[in-house]
Amino acid sequence: GENVEQHPSTLSVQEGDSAVIKCTYSDSASNYFPWYKQELGKGPQLIIDIRSNVGEKKDQRIAVTLNKTAKHFSLHITETQPEDSAVYFCAASKGVYGGATNKLIFGTGTLLAVQP
Amino acid sequence: EADIYQTPRYLVIGTGKKITLECSQTMGHDKMYWYQQDPGMELHLIHYSYGVNSTEKGDLSSESTVSRIRTEHFPLTLESARPSHTSQYLCASSDGSGRNTGELFFGEGSRLTVL
Repeated sequence: GENVEQHPSTLSVQEGDSAVIKCTYSDSASNYFPWYKQELGKGPQLIIDIRSNVGEKKDQRIAVTLNKTAKHFSLHITETQPEDSAVYFCAASKGVYGGATNKLIFGTGTLLAVQP
Repeated sequence: EADIYQTPRYLVIGTGKKITLECSQTMGHDKMYWYQQDPGMELHLIHYSYGVNSTEKGDLSSESTVSRIRTEHFPLTLESARPSHTSQYLCASSDGSGRNTGELFFGEGSRLTVL
């Protein structure tokens, strides 16, 4: 079955710096790759996702890149702010193209700390 | 803002007790899920349902059971709690219709401690 590896497990950056979190997946049939942010005491929340028909997607200060050949995808956060401090999860699934079955396989999570 | 609710948020009980964690969503979603989140942060799927009267076990074996009698309600039950069941339990739902964007909506979690 699918296996998703996520690195690093913890990441500390200074406010204003960029942060990059990387994930690799094993199943070449996976075609949907979301990123979730989990703040303390809350459930994870979708922040951005990408489907296998595109290589990059951007939403303000966050962007995700996908390399299907290498089977890895990354989350990039620019101009980090203290409110970006949270746990970030990548995930992968083999959805119907244009949708998703939602049986997501999550990575192990990255604790991001943005130091003011 | 997601309309999915979990109760209780925190529960401390003794070994051998029966507990039910409640999860309700008002979005009319067909698909619902239970994840167990250990202290190391990892999310493990333990149960899921694609509709009323449909339940399946997830990737991580769990002694808990679930039921789906109504679309909006997906409770999780432990018949006899043990210290090894101490964890955070997260409920989620998603739209199973043609409008499906793939997004999972999570509740805020139920933190269970078994003494």
